[in-house]
Amino acid sequence: ETGVTQTPRHLVMGMTNKKSLKCEQHLGHNAMYWYKQSAKKPLELMFVYNFKEQTENNSVPSRFSPECPNSSHLFLHLHTLQPEDSALYLCASSQTSGISYEQYFGPGTRLTVT
Amino acid sequence: SQQGEEDPQALSIQEGENATMNCSYKTSINNLQWYRQNSGRGLVHLILIRSNEREKHSGRLRVTLDTSKKSSSLLITASRAADTASYFCATDWTGANSKLTFGKGITLSVRP
Repeated sequence: ETGVTQTPRHLVMGMTNKKSLKCEQHLGHNAMYWYKQSAKKPLELMFVYNFKEQTENNSVPSRFSPECPNSSHLFLHLHTLQPEDSALYLCASSQTSGISYEQYFGPGTRLTVT
Repeated sequence: SQQGEEDPQALSIQEGENATMNCSYKTSINNLQWYRQNSGRGLVHLILIRSNEREKHSGRLRVTLDTSKKSSSLLITASRAADTASYFCATDWTGANSKLTFGKGITLSVRP
C-alpha cells in the first residue's frame, strides 16, 4: 500500500456532468500532483501543489479545476469534459516538489466520458 | 521532447532470465528514476539514481547511469512472473522547474 488513496476508482460521466476526483495522502508529504495517463502516451503532468500552493499548471484546459485545501488532500473538479479526456487520472505526492524526491502514486481513477 | 525514451517498447522473457531495459534522454538531468506499473494501477517507485552516481542496487534490481551517453539501464535479475508490468524511466532534468518527465514505458512479460 502506497499511502496515497484515490476515489472513486472508476467514473463514467456524460459531457454535461460535473464530478470531482479525490486524492488523500497519509505520508506527511508537502507536494501533490495530478497526472493524466492515456493509452500509448507518456504520463502527462497536469498540476503541482507545494505546501497547498499551486506551482504548476501544465496548460491544462479550464474544464479541469484543481483544489488543494491542505497538504493531505487534493481534488480535481471536472465539468463539461470531452470524450478525449477519458483516461486514467493519477494522483501522487512527494516530500516537496523540489528535485530528487521520489513520488508516491495512488491507484488512479479510470475516467470514461460518454 | 525532453522526456526519457525507453527501449525496447516490449520485452518477453522466461521466468528466471534477466531483463534489461534501457532509457535515453536528451538534456542534463538532476536525477533519473525508474517506476513500475501493474496493469490499471498506480506507479510504484523503484530506484532513484543521481547524476553523480553510476550504479545503484536494490534487491534484484540494478540501475546504471551514463551521463556522457545520456542513458540509463534497469536490470532485473532472476525474473519472476510477478515482475510482469510496465516500467517507466522519469527524468528530473535541470531547467524543468523540478518536474519529472516520464517516457512511454516498457511492457515486460515474464512467462512462468
